[in-house]
Amino acid sequence: DTEVTQTPKHLVMGMTNKKSLKCEQHMGHRAMYWYKQKAKKPPELMFVYSYEKLSINESVPSRFSPECPNSSLLNLHLHALQPEDSALYLCASSQGMGQPQHFGDGTRLSIL
Amino acid sequence: GDSVTQMEGPVTLSEEAFLTINCTYTATGYPSLFWYVQYPGEGLQLLLKATKADDKGSNKGFEATYRKETTSFHLEKGSVQVSDSAVYFCALTRPHSGGGADGLTFGKGTHLIIQP
Repeated sequence: DTEVTQTPKHLVMGMTNKKSLKCEQHMGHRAMYWYKQKAKKPPELMFVYSYEKLSINESVPSRFSPECPNSSLLNLHLHALQPEDSALYLCASSQGMGQPQHFGDGTRLSIL
Repeated sequence: GDSVTQMEGPVTLSEEAFLTINCTYTATGYPSLFWYVQYPGEGLQLLLKATKADDKGSNKGFEATYRKETTSFHLEKGSVQVSDSAVYFCALTRPHSGGGADGLTFGKGTHLIIQP
C-alpha cells in the first residue's frame, strides 16, 4: 500500500471546467512535490513545497495552481486546461534535501 | 544542468537471466542517486538509493553502487523473474540553490520485459 494517497484516481474534464487534485501523506514529511508524466516518458517536476511554502515552480503555466493547506496536504487546482495537459499527475513527499521521494499512484487526467 | 542517461530498451530477457541496466549522470556537487520502478497503471516505487560515493544500495535482489569516478549507478540483479517486468528509472537529486527541498531529475526510463 502506498503511503501517499492521491484522489481522484481518474478525472475527465472539459477545457472550461475547474477541478482540483488532492494529495495526502502521514509520514511527517516536510517536502511535497507535483510531477507531470506523459505516456512513455519520465516524470517532470512541476512544483516543490518545503515546510508548506512554495520553493520551486518549474515555469508551470498559471492554469495550474498549487496549494499546501498544511504539512500533510497538497492540492493542485486546475482551470482552463488544454488537451496537451492530459497526463498522469504524481504527488510525492520526502523528509527533505537529498532524501528519497515517496510517490502516490497518481491521478490520470484527460482533457476533452 | 543536471542530467541522467540510461539505456531505454525495451530490454528483453529470459527468466533467471542476469540483468544490468546502465545509468550515468552529470551533476555538480554530490547528488543522491536512486532507482525507481513503475508497474503499469501505478506510481513510482523507490527501489534503492545511495547518498555518497561507494555506497551500495540493495533491495529485493537488486543492487547498484555509486561510482563517482565514472559518474555511474548501474542496476544489477543476478536472476530476474517475470514479476520484475516494469519500467525502471534512474534519478538524482541535489540541494536546491535556495537551500530548500529538491526535485528529482530522471533518466528516460528502461522498459524491462522478462519472458518465462
